[in-house]
Parts: sequence; C-alpha cells; structure tokens
Amino acid sequence: NAGVTQTPKFRVLKTGQSMTLLCAQDMNHEYMYWYRQDPGMGLRLIHYSVGEGTTAKGEVPDGYNVSRLKKQNFLLGLESAAPSQTSVYFCASSRFRGWEPQHFGDGTRLSIL
Amino acid sequence: TQLLEQSPQFLSIQEGENLTVYCNSSSVFSSLQWYRQEPGEGPVLLVTVVTGGEVKKLKRLTFQFGDARKDSSLHITAAQPGDTGLYLCAGAEDNNNDMRFGAGTRLTVKP
Repeated sequence: NAGVTQTPKFRVLKTGQSMTLLCAQDMNHEYMYWYRQDPGMGLRLIHYSVGEGTTAKGEVPDGYNVSRLKKQNFLLGLESAAPSQTSVYFCASSRFRGWEPQHFGDGTRLSIL
Repeated sequence: TQLLEQSPQFLSIQEGENLTVYCNSSSVFSSLQWYRQEPGEGPVLLVTVVTGGEVKKLKRLTFQFGDARKDSSLHITAAQPGDTGLYLCAGAEDNNNDMRFGAGTRLTVKP
C-alpha cells in the first residue's frame, strides 16, 4: 500500500532558486495538507486543500504556493528559496478535517544554502 | 508560543520503566490525537480521543483526555526499545477544524 508518497526525499538548493515538491496519495482523500517540521516547533501547516482545484492558507503560508489540479496530487512550490525555508516538509491527506486521522508521507528534507 | 505544550521535551529511560508524557493547552479541543514519528518517517496515528475524561488503551499505552478537553496524557507501561520515537499530540479546536500539533516528546528507551 503506497498511501502518501513524497518526491524528492532530499534536496539542496541555493538561495533564490525555485523548486516544486510533489505529493501523491492513492486513498481517494479529499483533504491534503503541507506541513513543515522544525526542531522545537512541531508541525506547522503551510497550505491545505479541501478538494480538487481548491487551496487555502495555513499557519505559515508566506513564500510558498500550492496547486491541486488533480485529486490525488498536491504540489508545493518555492518560487525564490530562502535559508529560513530549510526544513523537513511533510504532506498528509485525510477523508475529512478535524478529528479524522491524517496520513503522512515520509517527508522531504530541504536545505537552502 | 505553542498552542499545545508537550512535556517533557526529551525523555531517556531504561527498558522496563514506566513513563508519562503530557500535552497541555489553554484551549478546548473537540478531539485530540497522538502520533508517533520515527526517524526519517512521517507521523503515524496512535489514537484519537473525543470525549472529556475518555481513556483509551493500546496494548501497553494508555491515553487519557482531560475532563475539560484541554489536556491529555500518554502513559507507557514497561517501555521497550521499540517505543523509541517522537510522540506528537495534535488537537482540533472547538471553534474550527484546523489540527494543531505540539512540538513533541522525544523518547529514548535504552535496552
């Protein structure tokens, strides 16, 4: 069972470069989320989507953009990477919001030099 | 300031010991979840509690939701090295559906 798959697993960027992180889920979930995880900060929500073609801002959206063109895919873009965006990024999906459990991918470790 | 404060931040114990970790907030939650995260992997759900005072058991793990739905605890009996990991609590506030995560308790169980 694939569940939630994130690509790439690791990436090193230079300041100012752009990149896209891909998340794919095979559980037919409506809701998808992008989080970043930093030491001592826990998981913080960047953006989320409540269905195909929709996106919404989370707690820390600045510097990121997202798209949900297909139900199974949720893309996270960094247009001009900054060192403050060095983090581990997790994608998750769920059937509903709130109490419904979220299923996470294994993360993308991104370093910005 | 974290919406959900977890304590302790780090915990290192010997195999066979018991332990309790805490998740506290000043907010009321409609539900609270506990996840475990191992190195290089994403969090995996352990349990969801929704009723104030609720107690759920998962083998050697006991989860309790506070009566006022503002806090929760996780108790592990006779810890094993396989329990090593980062334990995260996450809550959905009463007034919205956003799930907010604590920073976690990093548990190490030494053989």
